[in-house]
Amino acid sequence: AQSVTQLGSHVSVSEGALVLLRCNYSSSVPPYLFWYVQYPNQGLQLLLKYTTGATLVKGINGFEAEFKKSETSFHLTKPSAHMSDAAEYFCAASGYDKVIFGPGTSLSVIP
Amino acid sequence: SQTIHQWPATLVQPVGSPLSLECTVEGTSNPNLYWYRQAAGRGLQLLFYSVGIGQISSEVPQNLSASRPQDRQFILSSKKLLLSDSGFYLCAWSTGTEPGDEQYFGPGTRLTVT
Repeated sequence: AQSVTQLGSHVSVSEGALVLLRCNYSSSVPPYLFWYVQYPNQGLQLLLKYTTGATLVKGINGFEAEFKKSETSFHLTKPSAHMSDAAEYFCAASGYDKVIFGPGTSLSVIP
Repeated sequence: SQTIHQWPATLVQPVGSPLSLECTVEGTSNPNLYWYRQAAGRGLQLLFYSVGIGQISSEVPQNLSASRPQDRQFILSSKKLLLSDSGFYLCAWSTGTEPGDEQYFGPGTRLTVT
């Protein structure tokens, strides 16, 4: 069965510092991978997704993620954190049916 | 462009009362529709999904039910709410035409059962 894990339920970074949010998946088939962001009391918004092709995926708001099949990982990064990046981030994976979401990582940005 | 609406935005209901949350999608036809619940400090739990009118799949047996009376309308219901039903309810849609289609989420309904 597919599962998605996110290391660290809460991550704090200083404004301007590198953001690294970790995601690992387990799957018997090549998955489709997603990162979503959720601001307080709002729905989820797609940041980026990997389907096929280039393993480095660029998304909105300066975020990018790299698909590493050998490590079954899809970590999210941003070179320089902004105060507006403070939110909940969800990694998700799908095969040929439902999407499985990870438990989420809450990102705090310290001024 | 496509939009997804949920109402109400917030709801406070006593234990044992009924529930009806509505979700509608505009700008697309025959979408896949989903209901998720997000409990405080926790991830998303898929409750129901639908690939067409009258077709509902339940992921978690509980006192909630879902219906899809129209192509772009998805309703979440309960006859008697429990305290444990409190949470943030999210509706989502996808085209369902290809594997890897992303889901598009509504703004959510905050339900507090007292």
